[in-house]
Amino acid sequence: GESVGLHLPTLSVQEGDNSIINCAYSNSASDYFIWYKQESGKGPQFIIDIRSNMDKRQGQRVTVLLNKTVKHLSLQIAATQPGDSAVYFCAEGQGYGNKLVFGAGTILRVKS
Amino acid sequence: EPEVTQTPSHQVTQMGQEVILRCVPISNHLYFYWYRQILGQKVEFLVSFYNNEISEKSEIFDDQFSVERPDGSNFTLKIRSTKLEDSAMYFCASRDTYSGNTIYFGEGSWLTVV
Repeated sequence: GESVGLHLPTLSVQEGDNSIINCAYSNSASDYFIWYKQESGKGPQFIIDIRSNMDKRQGQRVTVLLNKTVKHLSLQIAATQPGDSAVYFCAEGQGYGNKLVFGAGTILRVKS
Repeated sequence: EPEVTQTPSHQVTQMGQEVILRCVPISNHLYFYWYRQILGQKVEFLVSFYNNEISEKSEIFDDQFSVERPDGSNFTLKIRSTKLEDSAMYFCASRDTYSGNTIYFGEGSWLTVV
């Protein structure tokens, strides 16, 4: 039968603005979280990660915030550029070497 | 920058045929994974492989699927008898032992079963 794709939430931002992409994770035992960027037809590309003993981590133009109380993860992108347009996935993992469980994804569209 | 490489990039196969997807993980990585992504859906875990054996597998990874590390560099996913619903992008990924939990993904192999 016909497969129905997920209707991903979409965030549209103006070039130069800051973007905030949110993710709710499900497993309170998860101790590792990671954000991936996926461009059309390509594999997930690592952006930034954070362990559960931290609540904030910064990279180049990106910041990840972790709120374990409400099981919420966010990705902030500063000065968003057209090249940031993609689908962004959060993923959670437990322990060392174990699988990642991906969220549904958010489409980021950057308007010039 | 080292990367995970996958071949083929796209394969079309008849239903019932066997398919082998190939991957060369990043050199000196020791954990290997296969994930898949059906068009428009999220990335799903299939199997993880460490120390020459499967360490974890999902419900998707049934008896039709197998993985192998035939030599020191390749990591393969075999689908024994493909079904229409196996059509998806298959991603290989790897992780090293020393620099944390970051899993690096390849560009994927797009499998179309007709």
